[in-house]
Amino acid sequence: GAGVSQTPSNKVTEKGKYVELRCDPISGHTALYWYRQSLGQGPEFLIYFQGTGAADDSGLPNDRFFAVRPEGSVSTLKIQRTERGDSAMYLCASSPSGGPGELFFGEGSRLTVL
Amino acid sequence: AQRVTQPEKLLSVFKGAPVELKCNYSYSGSPELFWYVQYSRQRLQLLLRHISRESIKGFTADLNKGETSFHLKKPFAQEEDSAMYYCALLNQAGTALIFGKGTTLSVSS
Repeated sequence: GAGVSQTPSNKVTEKGKYVELRCDPISGHTALYWYRQSLGQGPEFLIYFQGTGAADDSGLPNDRFFAVRPEGSVSTLKIQRTERGDSAMYLCASSPSGGPGELFFGEGSRLTVL
Repeated sequence: AQRVTQPEKLLSVFKGAPVELKCNYSYSGSPELFWYVQYSRQRLQLLLRHISRESIKGFTADLNKGETSFHLKKPFAQEEDSAMYYCALLNQAGTALIFGKGTTLSVSS
């Protein structure tokens, strides 16, 4: 399909472990966003890429969270030393150009930290 | 502060009844507002944005700067409208959407 693809769809890990979540945006979309959604909450912004660079990473909660997009397409969200509070749905979205007008979301990666 | 408030967690209506999903915002200047929808087992997707002033699936939303509101309305609800609805505000930097907590709309026959 031509939609935003996220893997894995589900990840269960133990406290303290390292996790990587991958996002493959719609082909040609230059803008890519990561959001986190906890139960009963709306999506919360983490980071925005325009091309290869992080144009706004102000939503990353602390230095355990990091994201890359080395070739301006696929992005990886990396979480070090996971904590139980990191458990959430991690959503990726892309859009054709800069500025989040219409965001095209993936199905999300559900992270559970035991 | 930039904030979106959706005061209702759940709104239950009967088929054919009017629907109004409330959204209030806090923003300095001229806001850019959106409604996103997530149907059961589907992805989050854009429903409408205020700048286009369009009607999608019978829904409309009018920006009221005096009341800082952007309520979503539909005159006659359908069962297929049952979903989670999120109001969203473009942040001052123009780099991200700020979402409300969402309202679940349940339409029953």
